[in-house]
Amino acid sequence: QSALTQPASESGSPGQSITISCTGTTNDIGGSDYVSWYQQHPDQAPKLILYDVTKRPSGVSGRFSGSKAGNTASLTISGLQAEDEADYYCCSFTTTTTPWVFGGGTKLTVL
Amino acid sequence: QVQLAQSGAEVKNPGASVKLSCKAFGYKLSSFNLYWLRQAPGQRPEWVGRINVEYVETKYGERFQGRVTITADTSTNTAYMEMSGLTSEDTAKYYCARMGVAAFDVWGQGTLVTVSS
Repeated sequence: QSALTQPASESGSPGQSITISCTGTTNDIGGSDYVSWYQQHPDQAPKLILYDVTKRPSGVSGRFSGSKAGNTASLTISGLQAEDEADYYCCSFTTTTTPWVFGGGTKLTVL
Repeated sequence: QVQLAQSGAEVKNPGASVKLSCKAFGYKLSSFNLYWLRQAPGQRPEWVGRINVEYVETKYGERFQGRVTITADTSTNTAYMEMSGLTSEDTAKYYCARMGVAAFDVWGQGTLVTVSS
């Protein structure tokens, strides 16, 4: 199965905003509103932070927001905090034989 | 509180089998699809398979067909994943995760499986 494409790393200073992109195809992101994002700290399980492109689960900070245009989804984190330093993965439903595919992950560093 | 609790780390020889467990608390397994995913060090999560407990229906990733079996015991609210023919490439952390509204909304803590001679 082909992975969704994310930048390997991003960085920002506390208080700044950053955006992480996730590019797929018409078989996944381009053809589905079931795009989700996960935050993973070292040695921890992934944690859902966005689903259905833009929706936040209860308890997730409003500093996390999502969008989608064509085959690319984006995660924006505003007001960066030290605790945001983690790996971030996008995930999409697909119309192929593999129903769910993840991005390669983006390591976010808060400077 | 809704959570998934997984069994402990495993070390296996090449060619062996492993069976992992995932016990659900705070909800009934039959209410949501339960997925197994794995994540090798520094890699993205990868879908292994899933079970719909209510309809006793399973589906597996193409690369795992024939050597992975996912089952569930409704009396203990526990799901299991058994993988056979282990190789070093199967070394990874294995997670169970609940499929909520089109996303993996609850994850187990993960089980590290190490395959080494």
